[in-house]
This record gives sequence, C-alpha cells and structure tokens, in this order.
Amino acid sequence: DAKTTQPNSMESNEEEPVHLPCNHSTISGTDYIHWYRQLPSQGPEYVIHGLTSNVNNRMASLAIAEDRKSSTLILHRATLRDAAVYYCILRPLGGATNKLIFGTGTLLAVQP
Amino acid sequence: NAGVTQTPKFQVLKTGQSMTLQCAQDMNHEYMSWYRQDPGMGLRLIHYSVGAGITDQGEVPNGYNVSRSTTEDFPLRLLSAAPSQTSVYFCASSLGAGSSYNSPLHFGNGTRLTVT
Repeated sequence: DAKTTQPNSMESNEEEPVHLPCNHSTISGTDYIHWYRQLPSQGPEYVIHGLTSNVNNRMASLAIAEDRKSSTLILHRATLRDAAVYYCILRPLGGATNKLIFGTGTLLAVQP
Repeated sequence: NAGVTQTPKFQVLKTGQSMTLQCAQDMNHEYMSWYRQDPGMGLRLIHYSVGAGITDQGEVPNGYNVSRSTTEDFPLRLLSAAPSQTSVYFCASSLGAGSSYNSPLHFGNGTRLTVT
C-alpha cells in the first residue's frame, strides 16, 4: 500500500488560514486522497477527498499537486475547534477500498 | 440517527479475563471495522467485515475475534486479555464499495480499555 508522510505537528493562530501538507510520492493513478481529523477524546471524522482536481466543501479545501505526489488540506479560517489530529490517507480503487490505513497524522494546535 | 454506538465507554479487566466490546450502527452500512489506538501509533486496523457473515483480518488481529451475524452489529471479543491490549478501541462503518466507492467511514466515540 502506498504511504503518506505528514509533519508531526503544526501551530496556527485563530482566524488565520492553515495549510496542512501531505507527501505521497508512491501514489498510484487510481488512489484517492482522503483526509480525516480526530478531535480530542473522539473518533476520527471525514473531512474531504479528491483524485486529481482541487476540491472544496464546507469544512475545508483540498489542493492536489499536478503530479499527485503531494496534497495540502486548507482550513481557510482556523478556529479553536479545529485543534485536532489530521490524517492524510490513500484509498485505492478496487479491493477492500474501505480498509483505510491511518498513519500518525499531524497534530494541529490553534492559538487564540 | 444514532450513527455508530460503542459500549462500554470504559472498561478495566484483569489479565486473563474475557470480554466483548459492542459496536452497533443504524445506517444499514455493509462495511464495519475495528481499530485500536495507542499513544504515538495512530490507528491500527484489527479486523473488518464487508457484510454479514464475512470477516477478515487487518494489521493487528492477534488476540481478537470477531463475528458478523447481522448487518447492524460487529462485536470484538478478547478471549484472554493481556496488558498489551490496553488501548482505545474504535469501531467504524461505511457503505460497501459496491454501493458507494468513496463512502466515508463513520466512527464511534471509542472504548477505553485497561488491562491490569
């Protein structure tokens, strides 16, 4: 399975944009890029996913590099409630596609 | 909808005891799975099921058994608990790959297990 690499931790100030990077240099052409986040004392929750084009939803934006070897999750205005661990995951087409493998993610701290 | 419900929220066991962690979902999801989360290790997949009557092993299956007799329930059994099984356990579910390819996983809020 292709792996992802994320920084262990990042800091942001409240109401500023946050760019969370993810490297996936061994991504295959049929791997989707998924992001989840885990708030303290809760289970992970889905944030966003994409294949090649940039994606936006109410929670965040996902920017995918042209060669697909990296992606960036963008929180446009961080709030204190965005403090969480963010996971970047590759989800392959075919097979047990729901069988997600989580890494250790990026711990995002948001300062008031 | 309740989503994914895990019980109990907390449990303390002695080494060698057995117990079952319960997981139920009310979204008619075909796929269900169990993860454990240890400090500094992220989430690791224990077992998963793509539908009633079908189960398979994940990354760390040893010491755990599962069964899937109904679509709604996916219990995780520890037959003889060991201190190494002290962890937080999460159950997750989603639509099957045949129904919705990129269906997101829905997680419960976890069971915190301590084995002494």
